[in-house]
Amino acid sequence: GEDVEQSLFLSVREGDSSVINCTYTDSSSTYLYWYKQEPGAGLQLLTYIFSNMDMKQDQRLTVLLNKKDKHLSLRIADTQTGDSAIYFCAETESGGYQKVTFGIGTKLQVIP
Amino acid sequence: DARVTQTPRHKVTEMGQEVTMRCQPILGHNTVFWYRQTMMQGLELLAYFRNRAPLDDSGMPKDRFSAEMPDATLATLKIQPSEPRDSAVYFCASGFTGLANYGYTFGSGTRLTVV
Repeated sequence: GEDVEQSLFLSVREGDSSVINCTYTDSSSTYLYWYKQEPGAGLQLLTYIFSNMDMKQDQRLTVLLNKKDKHLSLRIADTQTGDSAIYFCAETESGGYQKVTFGIGTKLQVIP
Repeated sequence: DARVTQTPRHKVTEMGQEVTMRCQPILGHNTVFWYRQTMMQGLELLAYFRNRAPLDDSGMPKDRFSAEMPDATLATLKIQPSEPRDSAVYFCASGFTGLANYGYTFGSGTRLTVV
């Protein structure tokens, strides 16, 4: 079945760039997503990338997709304390059902 | 902003009691998910509906869990009888799936504690 893997923890200093990485196994993935979860809240969709794209930029967020290596990354420029949260990588299952498979989540800690 | 509404936000119940969690998806969305989140297991998919029809509930313990969509504005997840190992945060999410899939909107969750 589909699998999405992420490292569990990342610590960065305020103002630095953060890079959160993710690998997935389903070569037929059509959409890949990054969600953010703050304490006590649900998951918030940050951005998505279609599988025929290599890069997508949205303000401080840059998503890079390497289909050959099945690697997805999220770069947050000028990381702020408000970016401290858990970040989930996710992908859609290929085929008609389109259910979403999530990684375990990477906890980003921003040090002031 | 359109949002997915879940009730209750918190629920404490005794083992053996029935628990019902409710979700109001975003109007116009055709897909609804129920997820359970725990520290040990992360996000687990419990049930998945499209156009109110159940597509996948393989992640759900069938003997005690049931999920329904009695109408397009309400999805329910029921546990009967509840057990301490059911303690978790339960999320509902909705979205529109068709030729494209631009992601899902999550509710704030129901934090369930079974004592």
